[in-house]
Amino acid sequence: GAGVSQSPSNKVTEKGKDVELRCDPISGHTALYWYRQSLGQGLEFLIYFQGNSAPDKSGLPSDRFSAERTGGSVSTLTIQRTQQEDSAVYLCASSLVKLLQVGYTFGSGTRLTVV
Amino acid sequence: QKEVEQDPGPLSVPEGAIVSLNCTYSNSAFQYFMWYRQYSRKGPELLMYTYSSGNKEDGRFTAQVDKSSKYISLFIRDSQPSDSATYLCAMSDGFQKLVFGTGTRLLVSP
Repeated sequence: GAGVSQSPSNKVTEKGKDVELRCDPISGHTALYWYRQSLGQGLEFLIYFQGNSAPDKSGLPSDRFSAERTGGSVSTLTIQRTQQEDSAVYLCASSLVKLLQVGYTFGSGTRLTVV
Repeated sequence: QKEVEQDPGPLSVPEGAIVSLNCTYSNSAFQYFMWYRQYSRKGPELLMYTYSSGNKEDGRFTAQVDKSSKYISLFIRDSQPSDSATYLCAMSDGFQKLVFGTGTRLLVSP
């Protein structure tokens, strides 16, 4: 597609439930990133995929968080046993790795609310 | 201390004012500097990109980088109500992920 697509756009879930967030990057972009944006906290890096390399998981806040990227394209971020502090906007971005320095293209995000 | 510091605002100005947005950083390896604009309930969009020190101008927007002071700025001339958004600075050493500031919320009143 023309841009980075994320689904769902909004998700309300009960505490303790698992959620899956989906990201469809721009075709041809080999690098894919997940960030979390909480009120007043800015963008917090979660995980980075680059081609077939092992992902950089250094930003995942706990082992309840995991992500995969299938076929070098679509990515899914999974949060298990959700907690209220997981409420945030989850943003996905993609880029051409050779042009990393010129920035990413972001999706519109998934707004997650844990009640 | 955060790697990138940015005043969260909000910054309120009247239409037509010159706006100055700033970030400071601590990592001297950063060479690539960006400004993103984020409207409410949207993802950030790249506004300006600058390599190393110096100025870059694009229409009403000017980005400045002072690597010696580890300080970057975004100036908006003749600000418009449509400029009301959150502005995030971001930076990279070219090899690792982008590091973002917390964002400054700008409100331009008619």
